[in-house]
Amino acid sequence: GIQVEQSPPDLILQEGANSTLRCNFSDSVNNLQWFHQNPWGQLINLFYIPSGTKQNGRLSATTVATERYSLLYISSSQTTDSGVYFCAVVRDTGRRALTFGSGTRLQVQP
Amino acid sequence: GAVVSQHPSRVICKSGTSVKIECRSLDFQATTMFWYRQFPKQSLMLMATSNEGSKATYEQGVEKDKFLINHASLTLSTLTVTSAHPEDSSFYICSARALLAGGEQFFGPGTRLTVL
Repeated sequence: GIQVEQSPPDLILQEGANSTLRCNFSDSVNNLQWFHQNPWGQLINLFYIPSGTKQNGRLSATTVATERYSLLYISSSQTTDSGVYFCAVVRDTGRRALTFGSGTRLQVQP
Repeated sequence: GAVVSQHPSRVICKSGTSVKIECRSLDFQATTMFWYRQFPKQSLMLMATSNEGSKATYEQGVEKDKFLINHASLTLSTLTVTSAHPEDSSFYICSARALLAGGEQFFGPGTRLTVL
């Protein structure tokens, strides 16, 4: 099956700092989503971005499908940004379920 | 965005009993729903794909007789953990694929199952 790798696995930031999270995938995809899992376990949809660039407030994401990677940018981080960020993809062919990366655990300190 | 609900949010049961978890898409129809399991400090692992009106497709290593899935309508899928054992304790999360949103998937809030 498709492999999804996220880096870094852990990240500690001071409030106000910027960060970039990376997601590499091993095959062509027709769906890529970024999620934030809050402390209660809820997965919050951040971006649906199989290709191109999108921005939503302090967050933005870019997917370069031809090079098989996606980046999530967090600017001016806040303590409420803490949690786990997951990248998940659906291959071009085969099943439609998402395959998740192992996640980036972000801790933003005041 | 589309809303997916799950019930119950938390359940504690004795070993050997069965537990049913409901997953509903509240404001859209979902011909396909997915069930995932997440152990502490780990990522989400797909258990099965639930198709409305047909049998579920299970991932390798997931016992279909233990994890019964029913997708009786376009807005409801249920997962029943039969004869639960302590090793079944986990966080179970469902998702639904919204066709009108180009295939984007939306997740329920999850159900934390503890088997004593």
